[in-house]
Amino acid sequence: AQSVTQLDSQVPVFEEAPVELRCNYSSSVSVYLFWYVQYPNQGLQLLLKYLSGSTLVKGINGFEAEFNKSQTSFHLRKPSVHISDTAEYFCAVSANRGYNKLIFGAGTRLAVHP
Amino acid sequence: GAGVSQTPSNKVTEKGKYVELRCDPISGHTALYWYRQSLGQGPEFLIYFQGTGAADDSGLPNDRFFAVRPEGSVSTLKIQRTERGDSAVYLCASSSKGGGTEAFFGQGTRLTVV
Repeated sequence: AQSVTQLDSQVPVFEEAPVELRCNYSSSVSVYLFWYVQYPNQGLQLLLKYLSGSTLVKGINGFEAEFNKSQTSFHLRKPSVHISDTAEYFCAVSANRGYNKLIFGAGTRLAVHP
Repeated sequence: GAGVSQTPSNKVTEKGKYVELRCDPISGHTALYWYRQSLGQGPEFLIYFQGTGAADDSGLPNDRFFAVRPEGSVSTLKIQRTERGDSAVYLCASSSKGGGTEAFFGQGTRLTVV
């Protein structure tokens, strides 16, 4: 079985500051890794994903994440945040290669302040 | 439509009643998923359809929950004898292929059982 731990339930940050949202996972098999964002009153949107290859993955809206197999982590980063980045961020894993049976973390609420 | 559509967006029902939640996936997407998101939690997998068949229903919590996709497009999640603990946002997602491809989420149906 797989599990995902998002270490921070809330992250407050000032506009234009850097941010890191932490994600650790547990799995006995290799996994695919995802970050999704949920803006208020909207559906989940894929930010980025890691399937294989380069461990540094770039996504939309200037976000990137690094897969660290030894630490079983997939932390999300952005060098300079905007007010519009305020949202809920979910880390997810999928162990089944045939379909997206996503196991989500509890989410991290990113609040960007002016 | 351009995205995954879920209806209704909100549903309030009395304890013990039967409800149906509908999902219209992106046209041409063969894979369809249902997830449930309780307050303050990440989405939890319920069921996966490939075409018309339920390929994985391991996430359905009990036999009060059932889902169908008779023609391989629209899906309906059915809940019998609703309980207050069923209150949550029910999310539908679809994708064009299998694992690792992007799953597109609808905005969800907020179910409240009173």
